[in-house]
Amino acid sequence: ILNVEQSPQSLHVQEGDSTNFTCSFPSSNFYALHWYRWETAKSPEALFVMTLNGDEKKKGRISATLNTKEGYSYLYIKGSQPEDSATYLCALHGGNTGNQFYFGTGTSLTVIP
Amino acid sequence: ETGVTQSPTHLIKTRGQQVTLRCSSQSGHNTVSWYQQALGQGPQFIFQYYREEENGRGNFPPRFSGLQFPNYSSELNVNALELDDSALYLCASSWFAEGTQYFGPGTRLTVL
Repeated sequence: ILNVEQSPQSLHVQEGDSTNFTCSFPSSNFYALHWYRWETAKSPEALFVMTLNGDEKKKGRISATLNTKEGYSYLYIKGSQPEDSATYLCALHGGNTGNQFYFGTGTSLTVIP
Repeated sequence: ETGVTQSPTHLIKTRGQQVTLRCSSQSGHNTVSWYQQALGQGPQFIFQYYREEENGRGNFPPRFSGLQFPNYSSELNVNALELDDSALYLCASSWFAEGTQYFGPGTRLTVL
């Protein structure tokens, strides 16, 4: 079992602030790292799938980086908006034990208008 | 394009009973993964089905079993329900095993 950790557990920011979260993991032997956004009462929505060391992905105001050698990924939100309020999950796919997915417990973001 | 659907939405069972949860994958997807999310935890991987074959399994006992049908829809079966099986069960479909996963809304199972 791979221990995927996310920090912080929760975050409250003012509208317009930029913020970032961390996903850390112990192994570089995996297929991909996934980021998801999960709004209350909705299904988790895929944000990014990252596979290579140094990978950087961007989608509007949200971007993510991956460092497989040091075992972390950052998710950045620029100019947070109330609609960004959600739980952000990262998941590691694969590893030494094969085709499995390991999720962190998520970072809950609340953007205050 | 139809998204991932799950049924039922909510379910209440008693200890020892059996339950079947259903998932219809997004059109064209051939892979379905199942997850259990208990309160306060991240989703825990149960197993994945790719082209009707199990293609990876998490740390769940054999009483958790599954099926994938030729149309790539899937079932999760849980036998001999225990109180700790109370959770949100999510399924996700993808084009292939490593691809982006598209989640359904989940089935909330309560075991009394």
